[in-house]
Amino acid sequence: GDSVTQTEGQVALSEEDFLTIHCNYSASGYPTLFWYVQYPGEGPQLLFRASRDKEKGSSRGFEATYDKGTTSFHLRKASVQESDSAVYYCALSGGGYQNFYFGKGTSLTVIP
Amino acid sequence: GPKVLQIPSHQIIDMGQMVTLNCDPVSNHLYFYWYKQILGQQMEFLVNFYNGKVMEKSKLFKDQFSVERPDGSYFTLKIQPTALEDSAVYFCASSLAHWNYAEQFFGPGTRLTVL
Repeated sequence: GDSVTQTEGQVALSEEDFLTIHCNYSASGYPTLFWYVQYPGEGPQLLFRASRDKEKGSSRGFEATYDKGTTSFHLRKASVQESDSAVYYCALSGGGYQNFYFGKGTSLTVIP
Repeated sequence: GPKVLQIPSHQIIDMGQMVTLNCDPVSNHLYFYWYKQILGQQMEFLVNFYNGKVMEKSKLFKDQFSVERPDGSYFTLKIQPTALEDSAVYFCASSLAHWNYAEQFFGPGTRLTVL
């Protein structure tokens, strides 16, 4: 079945470091891919989505490119800030009336 | 931005009892969703609901689960009877259109503990 695998556990960076959180997916066809961010005490918020091969999603300095060849949608940011500390989820929807799948989440802590 | 509210934030009940989790979705949204997240695991889709009917559900949506939104009020998830494995955080979400076409907005979750 469809699934999402992302960098697990916790990532700790210093401010202005480069961030990469890996996300690989397993799905047939062209699923829609999403990145969500969740701050403490809140529900997940959509960062951005992508639906086609080579499509780039971006928001708030974060970006990811849909790569069907490597079945990946890695999240990157050139220079993280303390305010980026949160849990990040990669997710996919297989399209049509199918389930929505989240990865396990990656907890990012940015140290000032 | 638009807010989804969930009531209560925490609920503790004894196994076998009934529980109702309440969600106040964004006012003009038409699609409603429930997700379950067990501590340390990923959030998993339970069900979505549109036009008064369940549209899609996962294998986690057991027979003991039901959803409704009577007269445009709260969107509710009822579990009757509850089991120990139902302990989790339950997230509600709503969207203007199906998730393939519109953003889902999530509530902060209800932490359910079944003793």
